[in-house]
Amino acid sequence: DSGVTQTPKHLITATGQRVTLRCSPRSGDLSVYWYQQSLDQGLQFLIQYYNGEERAKGNILERFSAQQFPDLHSELNLSSLELGDSALYFCASSVENTDLYGYTFGSGTRLTVV
Amino acid sequence: AQSVTQLGSHVSVSEGALVLLRCNYSSSVPPYLFWYVQYPNQGLQLLLKYTSAATLVKGINGFEAEFKKSETSFHLTKPSAHMSDAAEYFCAVTSYSSASKIIFGSGTRLSIRP
Repeated sequence: DSGVTQTPKHLITATGQRVTLRCSPRSGDLSVYWYQQSLDQGLQFLIQYYNGEERAKGNILERFSAQQFPDLHSELNLSSLELGDSALYFCASSVENTDLYGYTFGSGTRLTVV
Repeated sequence: AQSVTQLGSHVSVSEGALVLLRCNYSSSVPPYLFWYVQYPNQGLQLLLKYTSAATLVKGINGFEAEFKKSETSFHLTKPSAHMSDAAEYFCAVTSYSSASKIIFGSGTRLSIRP
């Protein structure tokens, strides 16, 4: 157990729907990062939050949004889902607002859009 | 822009043989380099990291990697492969000035033959 908790582990939904993925960072970590892992794109950085504030944005679609709450858990919202959004979504956390020392990853949420 | 290239999407070695997974990076500033391992249906786990200290970095499970600036390489090695080493391995890079967070390679799947 890495200490980063992601729920749900699996999610199957239809095209056009909206889902919310949840992440609780490791105790003491203030930064949360979201990554998407797909067969054709590999691991892609989506977005980072630090202590409730957005700090960096990567290849995140406009249909996707995220936030970090005062208790430091984070949610990734995916809307108007398309078949191509099917992927593993990972949350990772780190203590500070830096990725220089690596992340701790959760076990991921596998999203299947049908 | 930074990037990593992992040579060989699939490597197969016999149990007890040397493991060598190749990674070359591209970075215009001093890089911070990582190797992560992903076991089936799990998240990524940090194996080791190079953060500009010693060029030979030792990690968990008997793995090590050597930073070679002249060759822009950060290859991962293990003297004797074990069946439990079968997994996907990712090389990754970031830097102090990186705005796009940790960039991951496409991964190398390591298979171990009995």
